[in-house]
Amino acid sequence: GAVVSQHPSWVICKSGTSVKIECRSLDFQATTMFWYRQFPKQSLMLMATSNEGSKATYEQGVEKDKFLINHASLTLSTLTVTSAHPEDSSFYICSAPIQRSTDTQYFGPGTRLTVL
Amino acid sequence: GNSVTQMEGPVTLSEEAFLTINCTYTATGYPSLFWYVQYPGEGLQLLLKATKADDKGSNKGFEATYRKETTSFHLEKGSVQVSDSAVYFCALFETATDKLIFGTGTRLQVFP
Repeated sequence: GAVVSQHPSWVICKSGTSVKIECRSLDFQATTMFWYRQFPKQSLMLMATSNEGSKATYEQGVEKDKFLINHASLTLSTLTVTSAHPEDSSFYICSAPIQRSTDTQYFGPGTRLTVL
Repeated sequence: GNSVTQMEGPVTLSEEAFLTINCTYTATGYPSLFWYVQYPGEGLQLLLKATKADDKGSNKGFEATYRKETTSFHLEKGSVQVSDSAVYFCALFETATDKLIFGTGTRLQVFP
């Protein structure tokens, strides 16, 4: 099946620093990728839709200046958490549909971010 | 808007017990429905799906039937194992936006 990878798998950083998380589709091209944040009690929140070659679409309540998304190629989307604070600590997951407008998405293994 | 509602967990069962995790949805039209599973420390994996009414998705002993009359997609397994312990997410595909709409997830704990 299709594979989506994320890097790093976990990261610890100091408050005020920025952290970049990569999401790659390894064996298919993804014009669209999705970024989710998972809170401690397991609920999954869609943060934004990453679109190759254009601006990301953010969900209501998500700060676009804090969570910068870049989809520079058909196999790579990055999420940068700028000026991270402890409340940004979370599990971040990306996903990609194997084809545009298909209903099956493949998920990355997630990135655990801890901000001290 | 579209939404998915799951039963709250955790669900705690002994090995070989019967499992049901309820899921209902609200949507316009007939969206594809999914169950995803998340094992500890991992991302989500597709468990099964159904794309139209009365379809039954199945995988690894798990089953779910798309019921448009009751707008439900309940997950069942006849005999759970300790290795089934995970969080299970019900989801629907929103065709207009290409987004998956998730329920809040249900944690399943199976004890030997």
